Amino acid sequence: GNSVTQMEGPVTLSEEAFLTINCTYTATGYPSLFWYVQYPGEGLQLLLKATKADDKGSNKGFEATYRKETTSFHLEKGSVQVSDSAVYFCALSVNTPLVFGKGTRLSVIA
Amino acid sequence: DVKVTQSSRYLVKRTGEKVFLECVQDMDHENMFWYRQDPGLGLRLIYFSYDVKMKEKGDIPEGYSVSREKKERFSLILESASTNQTSMYLCASSYGGVDQPQHFGDGTRLSIL
Repeated sequence: GNSVTQMEGPVTLSEEAFLTINCTYTATGYPSLFWYVQYPGEGLQLLLKATKADDKGSNKGFEATYRKETTSFHLEKGSVQVSDSAVYFCALSVNTPLVFGKGTRLSVIA
Repeated sequence: DVKVTQSSRYLVKRTGEKVFLECVQDMDHENMFWYRQDPGLGLRLIYFSYDVKMKEKGDIPEGYSVSREKKERFSLILESASTNQTSMYLCASSYGGVDQPQHFGDGTRLSIL
């Protein structure tokens, strides 16, 4: 079946540090890939997406590149801020409802 | 902006009660979804609906049912609540195919005592 594996958290970084959250997937077919973010006390928000190999999704300084050869969609940001503290979910879809990873909690300290 | 509104942020019910969680979206989306979110397990799909009066089981439908009588409203029903249904429940909606990006409500934290 289809599944998403994310690096386990929590991840704690100092402000302005470089962020990578790893995400790999298993899918039958050709998935679309997503990153969602959940701020404290809120629902999930779409952060970025990519629909085909080598596509790069980007938003709010975050980027992720769809790598078909390594079945990965790692989330990166060059300089994190305290306001980026949240839970990040990787997700995929192959003409089906989204399948989510378990989430990675990020804490950024000043 | 799409608004997905869940009727309660916090709810406390007793074992054996019938519980209704309500969700309304204001953007005429065809698809609506119910998830539960638990620590260490992420989001798990309970049910979804791609049209009025249509419903499909997700990964964990046992103990739940749903109702979609109007396009904008999708209700999750716990027929006889049990303590293992204590969780955060998230509603979402999307336009087009069920694989399109979803818009989420802020969640209902349900405690079953």
